Amino acid sequence: ILNVEQSPQSLHVQEGDSTNFTCSFPSSNFYALHWYRWETAKSPEALFVMTLNGDEKKKGRISATLNTKEGYSYLYIKGSQPEDSATYLCASNNYGQNFVFGPGTRLSVLP
Amino acid sequence: DSGVTQTPKHLITATGQRVTLRCSPRSGDLSVYWYQQSLDQGLQFLIQYYNGEERAKGNILERFSAQQFPDLHSELNLSSLELGDSALYFCASNGLAGDNEQFFGPGTRLTVL
Repeated sequence: ILNVEQSPQSLHVQEGDSTNFTCSFPSSNFYALHWYRWETAKSPEALFVMTLNGDEKKKGRISATLNTKEGYSYLYIKGSQPEDSATYLCASNNYGQNFVFGPGTRLSVLP
Repeated sequence: DSGVTQTPKHLITATGQRVTLRCSPRSGDLSVYWYQQSLDQGLQFLIQYYNGEERAKGNILERFSAQQFPDLHSELNLSSLELGDSALYFCASNGLAGDNEQFFGPGTRLTVL
């Protein structure tokens, strides 16, 4: 069974700060890495799906990078806003395995 | 709105009972996934169906079962319910390939008293 880890567990930043989180996953038989944004009382919303080593994706102020050889991905948020407050989940999909979600990083952006 | 619908939104029942949760995937999606989120736990993958066939199985108890019908909607059946089954149950859908993002429904909150 895959072990997907995320750090930090929670994070408090001031509005305007830039921040980043880490997702680590087993690199063997890697297929895809997903990032989701999960606001309280809502359902998870897909941010990125990444498959290629060295891939970098961007959506507005949020970007992500992927290193499949060492098994980690970073999610960056530039100029955090209060509406960015949410739990950010990563999920790994490896060949022969099911989707495994990490425990998430809970971000609070203080105005 | 992800296009995935789940009913009911809330369900309160007693221990020992049986319930059925329903999910309709996004139009065109053949694959349906079921997840459980218990208190203080992350999303746990339960089971995946693709075009009516079971595709992958995760941490699903023997008391739980699921199926996907010809119209592609799916049902998750939970029986002999225990207090610990109280959780938020999500359904998600996609076009199958693991590199396709999953679209999550709003979830069904099950409370077992």
